[in-house]
Amino acid sequence: EVQLVESGGGLVQPGGSLRLSCAASGFTFSSYAMSWVRQAPGKGLEWVSAISGSGGSTYYADSVKGRFTISRDNSKNTLYLQMNSLRAEDTAVYYCAKETVTTAKSYSDYWGQGTLVTVSS
Amino acid sequence: DIQMTQSPSSLSASVGDRVTITCRASQSISSYLNWYQQKPGKAPKLLIYAASSLQSGVPSRFSGSGSGTDFTLTISSLQPEDFATYYCQQSYSTLRYTFGQGTKLEIK
Repeated sequence: EVQLVESGGGLVQPGGSLRLSCAASGFTFSSYAMSWVRQAPGKGLEWVSAISGSGGSTYYADSVKGRFTISRDNSKNTLYLQMNSLRAEDTAVYYCAKETVTTAKSYSDYWGQGTLVTVSS
Repeated sequence: DIQMTQSPSSLSASVGDRVTITCRASQSISSYLNWYQQKPGKAPKLLIYAASSLQSGVPSRFSGSGSGTDFTLTISSLQPEDFATYYCQQSYSTLRYTFGQGTKLEIK
């Protein structure tokens, strides 16, 4: 059974940093790209960042480029999101998702339960 | 960036109704369109991928169609557990996804 468990959320002051983790199990972690998607309170889904299975390719939304860094440790089956220079508008539930990517289709087929990040003084 | 626009933003319907939600892309995305269902306090759940393929375990009352820029999600006969928010997602830009703003389906 595929399981994704996020951790690391919490309350942080504006300008601060936080590192989120996503522990994966039930599939060959290194074979799949992974993503982070967030949802501000009462708002819709926003794609944040993604990383290839090997970790060699990374992608970011313009809203977080230069502030957030996605990485993975395939030996630990864990995905990370390092978030620096946090702003109030980064307040959201952050989900990690497993990606299935082929030449004909690409989708997020499993999601974690989410971890809440609150940026406030 | 590819923009995704869903309509309507909200919808009231009754159990047993047939419901259609539309999603339009700002440029052609072929069939790289996915649909997700989200219930309050829960993670999104994949319903349809590649515009019309039903994810394993999803009831057959859900269907998707379209290609290019215009797509639809249809629920053939609403069940009580279907009241939720639905999102489309383009995956044409590999690993640089964007979502529609969501459609909240409420009980009439």
